[in-house]
Amino acid sequence: SQQGEEDPQALSIQEGENATMNCSYKTSINNLQWYRQNSGRGLVHLILIRSNEREKHSGRLRVTLDTSKKSSSLLITASRAADTASYFCALDSNYQLIWGAGTKLIIKP
Amino acid sequence: DVKVTQSSRYLVKRTGEKVFLECVQDMDHENMFWYRQDPGLGLRLIYFSYDVKMKEKGDIPEGYSVSREKKERFSLILESASTNQTSMYLCASSPTGADTQYFGPGTRLTVL
Repeated sequence: SQQGEEDPQALSIQEGENATMNCSYKTSINNLQWYRQNSGRGLVHLILIRSNEREKHSGRLRVTLDTSKKSSSLLITASRAADTASYFCALDSNYQLIWGAGTKLIIKP
Repeated sequence: DVKVTQSSRYLVKRTGEKVFLECVQDMDHENMFWYRQDPGLGLRLIYFSYDVKMKEKGDIPEGYSVSREKKERFSLILESASTNQTSMYLCASSPTGADTQYFGPGTRLTVL
């Protein structure tokens, strides 16, 4: 399957801690994207990293990509209650996006 | 600001009914997509369109059809709804096929 696989499936941490979630895949990709989904705002694009990039930052988000290991990680630093959501990786393999099943992140106050 | 709207947030239909889900984007995007989302399965692509009157099957097109008569509007049609089509339906648009996708709020469809 070309589907990205997120790990862990669920993650619960204290507010202020860092959260790391991973995405592994099997095919070659053009880019990899991370999205967030919460009940109030639907699916929202967070960050896109291209296959020739190794790391990208956006505010409290840091994404890494290791094409030799076919994996990516999303780090959220100094987590907040508003970060509670499901996070999905999406692979651009053939100019369509292939989605993983997501990591459910819960931030405890 | 980018906007994708879907005709209904919640919809309840009976088995065998014809169901129309509409999606409108105001960003002049070429590409539009229909996904369904089920717990544990992520997003699965039903159909997409890269131009007016053009459509391509995604991974799970069976039981669905689509229509794109205008660039901004992409409709998903369930010809004869069945209980296994109970799901969250998400519409998205993007400038190109693999670019950032912008999503609508979703329609939660229940088929009884």
